[in-house]
Amino acid sequence: QKEVEQDPGPLSVPEGAIVSLNCTYSNSAFQYFMWYRQYSRKGPELLMYTYSSGNKEDGRFTAQVDKSSKYISLFIRDSQPSDSATYLCAMSIGPGAQKLVFGQGTRLTINP
Amino acid sequence: GAVVSQHPSRVICKSGTSVKIECRSLDFQATTMFWYRQFPKQSLMLMATSNEGSKATYEQGVEKDKFLINHASLTLSTLTVTSAHPEDSSFYICSARDQASYGYTFGSGTRLTVV
Repeated sequence: QKEVEQDPGPLSVPEGAIVSLNCTYSNSAFQYFMWYRQYSRKGPELLMYTYSSGNKEDGRFTAQVDKSSKYISLFIRDSQPSDSATYLCAMSIGPGAQKLVFGQGTRLTINP
Repeated sequence: GAVVSQHPSRVICKSGTSVKIECRSLDFQATTMFWYRQFPKQSLMLMATSNEGSKATYEQGVEKDKFLINHASLTLSTLTVTSAHPEDSSFYICSARDQASYGYTFGSGTRLTVV
């Protein structure tokens, strides 16, 4: 069993739709959770960073963490074609220079 | 925000030659940097953790003699793929964390093609 599981998709939705991306994990020691967006042939860019259960909102993006269920989500509201990318969840045990464990990534396409 | 610069962005080399990839933290110091490898349509696989002034820590299954890592300063780490072969063709990405910010910043990646 992988430490972090993420549905690779692909996921295709119409413009304006609400997108839900999810990851589950097995290691209860994970305390820090991140969502990255990666465009083709580019390095990942950080979208959201959370370290506690609950919701965190930033513009059209909401990150949700449920440590009791070992489940994290990223919601994208009013999705735009420019949101089309691969979304990767990542997590670590500590806040310092700890290695990240990534999910497989979900390929998302927003259709105009 | 924190910026990590990675060069070259793409390189083509002949089989048997060595290739060096540079990763620089532009506006912060990074005592630790990470090197990843990514195959098409797959996630990032951590290869090694680069520590300034000391030996790198390699993940299981990664050949340390093939993938040489040097972290000679607080802003520069290099990955050298020695005696490259076609199966080493991949997308290599480095990352570092600025202590003043959250999360990890990634370089733009290097696409290596060995012919």
